[in-house]
Amino acid sequence: SAVISQKPSRDICQRGTSLTIQCQVDSQVTMMFWYRQQPGQSLTLIATANQGSEATYESGFVIDKFPISRPNLTFSTLTVSNMSPEDSSIYLCSVGDSTQETQYFGPGTRLLVL
Amino acid sequence: GQNIDQPTEMTATEGAIVQINCTYQTSGFNGLFWYQQHAGEAPTFLSYNVLDGLEEKGRFSSFLSRSKGYSYLLLKELQMKDSASYLCAVRTYNTDKLIFGTGTRLQVFP
Repeated sequence: SAVISQKPSRDICQRGTSLTIQCQVDSQVTMMFWYRQQPGQSLTLIATANQGSEATYESGFVIDKFPISRPNLTFSTLTVSNMSPEDSSIYLCSVGDSTQETQYFGPGTRLLVL
Repeated sequence: GQNIDQPTEMTATEGAIVQINCTYQTSGFNGLFWYQQHAGEAPTFLSYNVLDGLEEKGRFSSFLSRSKGYSYLLLKELQMKDSASYLCAVRTYNTDKLIFGTGTRLQVFP
């Protein structure tokens, strides 16, 4: 199974600022995903992080607000830009395994925007 | 469109059996996943079904009927530590991305 780490684990930020979240995997993976989980809700896919090309965003999410980098097969970053209190959420990185029979989640980054 | 439905909350007694249902309507289907999520933690993978039938893993089993767009997660011999949210997720055809249901919060009482 893949071991995924995220940094930071939590942060408190002021509105209008930006935060970059890092996701590191202990093995090379083709597919990496970024999810958001707002308080008391389920997971919503933000985008698929593609290595060597622009990320693929889901409806309701745009690159200007959530720029994503994927410089190699083990690392990705998600930036939450120009934050507002509505961005307070848990942000989770996820990867698929080679058999495609499971997907693993990182520990999440808990973000509070004041 | 994509629609995945689960009951919002369920309660059960320690030692009992509980079945959590999930119905889905998605544009294509390439597997159904169940995850467990304790409060404040990341989701943990429980099971994967891509063919019809029952998959058993210890106290947990998962069933899939593709023709009915239906799955359930069966938890046997419930323990207090099984109190958590259970998330149903569908992978759409030809992609690896998961679409999640709203989740079912299960409370196990002594």
